[in-house]
Amino acid sequence: QVQLVQSGGGVVQPGGSLRLSCVASGFTFSNFGIHWVRQAPGKGLEWVAFIRFDGSDQYYVDSIKGRFTISRDNSRNTLYLQMDSLRNEDTALYYCARDGPSRGPLIDYWGQGSLVTVSS
Amino acid sequence: SSELTQDPAVSVALGQTVRITCQGDSLRTYYAGWYQQKPGQAPLLVIYNKNNRPSGIPDRFSGSNSGNTASLTITGAQADDEADYYCNTRDTINPRVLFGGGTRLTVV
Repeated sequence: QVQLVQSGGGVVQPGGSLRLSCVASGFTFSNFGIHWVRQAPGKGLEWVAFIRFDGSDQYYVDSIKGRFTISRDNSRNTLYLQMDSLRNEDTALYYCARDGPSRGPLIDYWGQGSLVTVSS
Repeated sequence: SSELTQDPAVSVALGQTVRITCQGDSLRTYYAGWYQQKPGQAPLLVIYNKNNRPSGIPDRFSGSNSGNTASLTITGAQADDEADYYCNTRDTINPRVLFGGGTRLTVV
């Protein structure tokens, strides 16, 4: 079955850095694009970033451009989100989520979430 | 506008039918997906491409769309359906994903 297992969350001071990881199993990772979606405490879902199946293109929400970097290692079935220059407003539960197959849903499977808390 | 709008909260009596809507210009071009999220859990896909259900989703969940509005209908709502529901779709202008603000469904 499709699984996305996340790691790497934690508490960091403003201006600090953190890297999230998402390990995929149960499907051919190199065939699928992957998203990061975040959810601030008590708030709704916000799309953050997307990377194509082969890593050729990346897209970001404006609020994190230049600070966050999405990448992947298809040999390790792993997705990353490098977060630099973190701000208080980046505090959220971060989900990795699979881009659905062609003619299927936009996002089908989700990881369990990684909590990132930015606080001094 | 590249946004999706949902009513913040909706309630339904147990066993009755409820419709949750999602409005946005992008829905004139792309289908909506619908996700159910219960407290402390990751979102769960319940409807995609207007009215397709993933395996394991009860058939009381259905979807439709008209113009710039997508709808999720729960026919015969159960207590277990109490959750937050989010719509999503692609942005027609920028290469990004749009999410609605979410609708909290209460089953009374």
